[in-house]
Amino acid sequence: QKEVEQDPGPLSVPEGAIVSLNCTYSNSAFQYFMWYRQYSRKGPELLMYTYSSGNKEDGRFTAQVDKSSKYISLFIRDSQPSDSATYLCAMSEIGGGFKTIFGAGTRLFVKA
Amino acid sequence: NAGVMQNPRHLVRRRGQEARLRCSPMKGHSHVYWYRQLPEEGLKFMVYLQKENIIDESGMPKERFSAEFPKEGPSILRIQQVVRGDSAAYFCASSPPGRPETQYFGPGTRLLVL
Repeated sequence: QKEVEQDPGPLSVPEGAIVSLNCTYSNSAFQYFMWYRQYSRKGPELLMYTYSSGNKEDGRFTAQVDKSSKYISLFIRDSQPSDSATYLCAMSEIGGGFKTIFGAGTRLFVKA
Repeated sequence: NAGVMQNPRHLVRRRGQEARLRCSPMKGHSHVYWYRQLPEEGLKFMVYLQKENIIDESGMPKERFSAEFPKEGPSILRIQQVVRGDSAAYFCASSPPGRPETQYFGPGTRLLVL
């Protein structure tokens, strides 16, 4: 079993839709949870990060962490064609070298 | 404020040659991470370094791969005697000390082994 599981998609939605992206994990020691966006042949771009459980909102993006279920989500409101990219979840422990584990990424297509 | 810089952006090597990938972190960042990304796969952690010190190299292959981050100059990921399976995109990220949640990535180096 992988430490971080993420549905690779692709996920195709119409412009304006609410998008829900999710990851599950098995390591209860993870404390930092991040979401990255990666356009084709580019480096990942940090979107949001949260520490431990809870929600965090930034513009059209909302990140949620449910540590009891080992489940994290990223919601994108009013999706735009420019949101079409691969979204990667990532997680780190405190200490232990801060090794960061990434999900495989979900490819999102937003149709105009 | 320049972002993370990596060079070269593309590198072609023949089997058996050496590949050297360079990474200059963001200004004010003293910690560097290297990742490898194979086509259609996520990022795989390789190594985490601070200047003159390897913090965690648990993701590095045991042979042919090495990394350093000297007191002066960029971080270097070195692959000796490359094989076709080493063909991948190699990304470097940097963060402030102890802040793995704020890693900023460079554009990557795409290595092709012929």
